[in-house]
Parts: sequence; structure tokens; C-alpha cells
Amino acid sequence: QSALTQPASVSGSPGQSITISCTGTSSDVGGYNYVSWYQQHPGKAPKLMIYDVSNRPSGVSNRFSGSKSGNTASLTISGLQAEDEADYYCSSYTSSSPWVFGGGTKLTVL
Amino acid sequence: EVQLVESGGGLVKPGGSLRLSCAASGFTFSSYSMNWVRQAPGKGLEWVSSISSSSSYIYYADSVKGRFTISRDNAKNSLYLQMNSLRAEDTAVYYCASSGSYYAFDIWGQGTMVTVSS
Repeated sequence: QSALTQPASVSGSPGQSITISCTGTSSDVGGYNYVSWYQQHPGKAPKLMIYDVSNRPSGVSNRFSGSKSGNTASLTISGLQAEDEADYYCSSYTSSSPWVFGGGTKLTVL
Repeated sequence: EVQLVESGGGLVKPGGSLRLSCAASGFTFSSYSMNWVRQAPGKGLEWVSSISSSSSYIYYADSVKGRFTISRDNAKNSLYLQMNSLRAEDTAVYYCASSGSYYAFDIWGQGTMVTVSS
């Protein structure tokens, strides 16, 4: 099972919005509505930010939103804040593994 | 407080074995599927293995199949990963994570470091 494809890095200024893409295939992202997103600060454990494509767990800011079109899922962060600077990973249920992660995206808040 | 605490990591020689443990508290462990996810130094997350709530379903990544064994003891609220025939490329922080209410990894432990080196 190949990793999902994410951009290596994205950046934005405070207050702006950014979008991180996550591209898979019809066997994972495109085939199931089980895409999730994780935030990881340096030296810390990952934290679930989005599940089932677009749902936020309790306690996660509504500045974080998720969507999907075909084989590509997206995480959008609006009103960027300095504390959002972190690595972000997508994950999807798959027909084989059953889980696969993306390669990760480093978000820099300028 | 909902918590997962891993233990058992350390330095081991290539070809050696190690058993990781994950102690759960603050939630109904026996109702949750559980997982191991690892992260090599400076690299991304890699799913390693999953086990269903009653141990009926078990899955492994191809990279560890035949070498690692996942298990759980619901009476002890504990998850385990027996790692045999360890290789340098198994060097990573190993996280245990639950899959409770969602098809996702909702609760994560702090991780335990495994270093395979001679």
C-alpha cells in the first residue's frame, strides 16, 4: 500500500487560510468516507483534528475543516494562528491495509 | 482522564526482540479497536498493526508481517506488540492509538522509542 500524497510544505500569514491536499486512489480516499487528519507538534504525539472527511472531534477549533472530491481530500485552516504551525498528516481506510497515512505536510506560519 | 501509556522501548541489536506494552485508562478499553503506529526519526507516520476489540480481527503492514505480533488483554486494559527479527529500519517511536467512536485514531499515547543498532 503506497502512502497518500501530500505537499511537503505549505505556508501562510496569520489570519489567512491555507489548504493541504491529500491524494490517494479509488481504493482508499476515493472509495471510503474515512479520511482523517492529524496535527503533530515537534516532539509530541499526533492529535486527531478531522475524522470521516469533515467531522471535528469535540474540542477542535472550527477553524479546521475537511472535504473530499474524488480521490483527493483537503484540510483547510482558516484564520491562521501561530499555534497552528505543525506537521499535518492525512490518513484513510483502505481496501487492503486497512490504514494508510500521507507523507505529511509541514505548515509554516509566516 | 483518557490516557494511553506505552512502555518497553529501548536499544536492541539487529535480529533481536522487544515487547512493547500500552496501558489504557479512562475509557472502556474492551470496546475499542487498537493500533500501533510508528514514526522513524525525521519521517512521517506509518501504520503498523491493528486489532479489533475482541481480538477477532488482526492486521499488519507488509513491512512487519511475520515478524511482529499484536495482542491485547482486555482484563488488564493493555495492548502489546511483540517485535522479533528486528531490523535497523524498525528504529522509530512507536505509538499506540485507539479507534473508538470513529474510523480514525482518536486517542494517542506519548510514544516509546525503539532503536535497532549494533
